[in-house]
Amino acid sequence: EPEVTQTPSHQVTQMGQEVILRCVPISNHLYFYWYRQILGQKVEFLVSFYNNEISEKSEIFDDQFSVERPDGSNFTLKIRSTKLEDSAMYFCASSDQGKETGELFFGEGSRLTVL
Amino acid sequence: DAKTTQPTSMDCAEGRAANLPCNHSTISGNEYVYWYRQIHSQGPQYIIHGLKNNETNEMASLIITEDRKSSTLILPHATLRDTAVYYCIVSSQPYNFNKFYFGSGTKLNVKP
Repeated sequence: EPEVTQTPSHQVTQMGQEVILRCVPISNHLYFYWYRQILGQKVEFLVSFYNNEISEKSEIFDDQFSVERPDGSNFTLKIRSTKLEDSAMYFCASSDQGKETGELFFGEGSRLTVL
Repeated sequence: DAKTTQPTSMDCAEGRAANLPCNHSTISGNEYVYWYRQIHSQGPQYIIHGLKNNETNEMASLIITEDRKSSTLILPHATLRDTAVYYCIVSSQPYNFNKFYFGSGTKLNVKP
């Protein structure tokens, strides 16, 4: 079964450092997303990406965040200068919107710990 | 903002049916009801979705009331591996996951 893969599974960083989280969406999907979940809290939408540009972003996705699809397979989330409150599980997701599957496929997540 | 209300937690005996309710009284005519679950801290997993009619797949059944103000997810024979947080989500656009709001969900505890 196709799956979304994310790396690293866990990253520990110092406050103020840059972090890049990587995702390989399912190969024929065209819509990509990042969500995050702070420990014990809800899963929150960050950003969606289609046709090499951001389609929508939430209030959380400020100037410290950026996304990129540097090649035909990877989809990355960059946090320029991490803060303590960025500590969370970050989930990448992809979909083949437009087909009647109704399914958003999530990766297993990357846990970010900011010290 | 989540447009759904779910109980915080429920227990179910292994092998029995688990019935998870969801209220979505403000749902509008073109909004779909989706169910996802999250096992421990893994990525959310799609279960089922529907608009008006009841739906069934290999994982579960979805029963939507005629007025569409509530729905019930049914896991026909719950196993220990079904212990998870179950999210009922109303989406303003079909298959558009830009504003997919996960609420607090229902923590289902399947017990031996």
